[in-house]
Amino acid sequence: AIHMTQSPSSLSASVGDRVTITCRASQGIRNDLGWYQQKPGKAPKLLIYSASTLQNGVPSRFSGSGSGTDFTLTISSLQPEDFATYYCLQDYDFPRTFGQGTKVEIK
Amino acid sequence: EVQLLQSGGGVIRPGKSLRLSCDASGFTFKNYALTWVRQAPGKGLDWVSTISDSGNRTYYADSVKGRFTISRDNVKNTLYLQMNSLRGEDTAVYYCAKGNWNYDSWGQGTLVTVSS
Repeated sequence: AIHMTQSPSSLSASVGDRVTITCRASQGIRNDLGWYQQKPGKAPKLLIYSASTLQNGVPSRFSGSGSGTDFTLTISSLQPEDFATYYCLQDYDFPRTFGQGTKVEIK
Repeated sequence: EVQLLQSGGGVIRPGKSLRLSCDASGFTFKNYALTWVRQAPGKGLDWVSTISDSGNRTYYADSVKGRFTISRDNVKNTLYLQMNSLRGEDTAVYYCAKGNWNYDSWGQGTLVTVSS
């Protein structure tokens, strides 16, 4: 199975900060990667697919990049509603595998 | 509007069986693969199983292979997860999701607690 290593596991940031989360795959996965946001008690929400394509309705402050094994989710200017846990997911092969998550907290 | 309405969770004893359902509306059900994802209390997301649009291809996590069965009814627009031989480590919130690779719509989640 492809292992996804996500970092950091948590971070503290202030409103307006630029935030970067990384995900590394244990083997090349082309650009077959998505990013999800999850708030407590809620279902995950798709933010980005195919590594860099913004899902409809997602604010443009979210962006994704990368290909092969290294990927990045960037929030250009953190907003209060962005405090949540973020997960990457590889959809290159079965079994699908998620990163362990990054919790973004208020500083 | 896409809606995925889940049912069937609850408290169940180890070794017993439970079936989850996910009723879909707002999209052409038979054209999409569907997926189950779970989340143990306080833990991250864990992919469980995916079924193709026609239902003729299924995929499972190693942790559930041979115990869980994913299926669908393209007339009733319903996705199922039959869970047999349940274990404590299967305790989680289970989510259904639309899609094979980008999960753009999710159910509300249903809690399955395996405990004696």
